[in-house]
Amino acid sequence: GAVVSQHPSRVICKSGTSVKIECRSLDFQATTMFWYRQFPKQSLMLMATSNEGSKATYEQGVEKDKFLINHASLTLSTLTVTSAHPEDSSFYICSATDNYGYTFGSGTRLTVV
Amino acid sequence: RKEVEQDPGPFNVPEGATVAFNCTYSNSASQSFFWYRQDCRKEPKLLMSVYSSGNEDGRFTAQLNRASQYISLLIRDSKLSDSATYLCVVKYAQAGTALIFGKGTTLSVSS
Repeated sequence: GAVVSQHPSRVICKSGTSVKIECRSLDFQATTMFWYRQFPKQSLMLMATSNEGSKATYEQGVEKDKFLINHASLTLSTLTVTSAHPEDSSFYICSATDNYGYTFGSGTRLTVV
Repeated sequence: RKEVEQDPGPFNVPEGATVAFNCTYSNSASQSFFWYRQDCRKEPKLLMSVYSSGNEDGRFTAQLNRASQYISLLIRDSKLSDSATYLCVVKYAQAGTALIFGKGTTLSVSS
């Protein structure tokens, strides 16, 4: 079946630094990738939608200059959390679709100290 | 009003029990419906799609009522391994749109 590889699975960083999360579709071409964030006991909240080669579309309330998304190829999307703060600590999950189904990465648990 | 609403629970049931989860969605443009399962600190995994005619997969039965914008999931003969959070998910009709998740209902099955 379709597999999406997400790295790193866990990261601890200092406040003010930047963290890059990578999401790669291994055996299919993802026409669209999505980035979600999940706080404890909350639902997965969509942050942004990205299509290969074009700018990401951000959901209301999500700062595009803080959460940089790059979708350079049909198999790779990255999310960079810039100048991270403790309130950015969360579970970040990517999802990729080839318009037939949705496949999720295994998630990245970010802790900003 | 949230797009997808669920009773967060938790539902604490003994093994063998039957348990039902409900979900409502607010946007009538929603076209596709799913139940996902999420284990603690893991990514969500597709449990089953939900069709208007209702569908069953083993011990799991899903129902959709478009008129009421209501979705349900019934789990029969609960197992310890069913303990998880169950997420109600909807999708709009356009291709390439994101899945919209409910907050989830937590189920704990005990022996």
